[in-house]
Amino acid sequence: DSGVTQTPKHLITATGQRVTLRCSPRSGDLSVYWYQQSLDQGLQFLIQYYNGEERAKGNILERFSAQQFPDLHSELNLSSLELGDSALYFCASTPTVNTGELFFGEGSRLTVL
Amino acid sequence: GENVEQHPSTLSVQEGDSAVIKCTYSDSASNYFPWYKQELGKRPQLIIDIRSNVGEKKDQRIAVTLNKTAKHFSLHITETQPEDSAVYFCAAEGRGSGNTGKLIFGQGTTLQVKP
Repeated sequence: DSGVTQTPKHLITATGQRVTLRCSPRSGDLSVYWYQQSLDQGLQFLIQYYNGEERAKGNILERFSAQQFPDLHSELNLSSLELGDSALYFCASTPTVNTGELFFGEGSRLTVL
Repeated sequence: GENVEQHPSTLSVQEGDSAVIKCTYSDSASNYFPWYKQELGKRPQLIIDIRSNVGEKKDQRIAVTLNKTAKHFSLHITETQPEDSAVYFCAAEGRGSGNTGKLIFGQGTTLQVKP
């Protein structure tokens, strides 16, 4: 158990819909990262928040947005869903913005039908 | 841009043999290079990492080598066992516009160890 909690574990929805994925980082960690893992694909960096502020942005679509709340949990919002958005979405956390181990949650598997 | 290339995409070895996975990275400012193992349906977990002030690091049957001049690094697993079967990801620190701690991952190598 990494200490990072993600909900929901599984989500099935239809094209055009909107979903929200939630992540609670390890106790004390200020930095949260979101990654997308599509079938047979690597881990694509989407976005990072540190202590409530956006810190780094990757190849995140305009239909996707995220935020980190004062209690440090983070939410990833995916809207106008397309079939190609079906993937495993991982959240990871670290104490700071310094390099080191990313502690991953178990992921949220999104299926868009 | 930031990019990490990983080869091979699949690797099949006999139990007891060695396995080598290679990665190259594009950002010369990167100083941190971890390797993650992801078992089927599980989260990625760190197995070993190396920083740019060293050229090689070992942990039991696992070793990583780094060549900063050539911008490549490799994972070596000796005496492979069936439980080593998994997807392995290399990664490099994504420096971008400053210190973030984010990692740029390779595409992964599916390692199969045959008993």
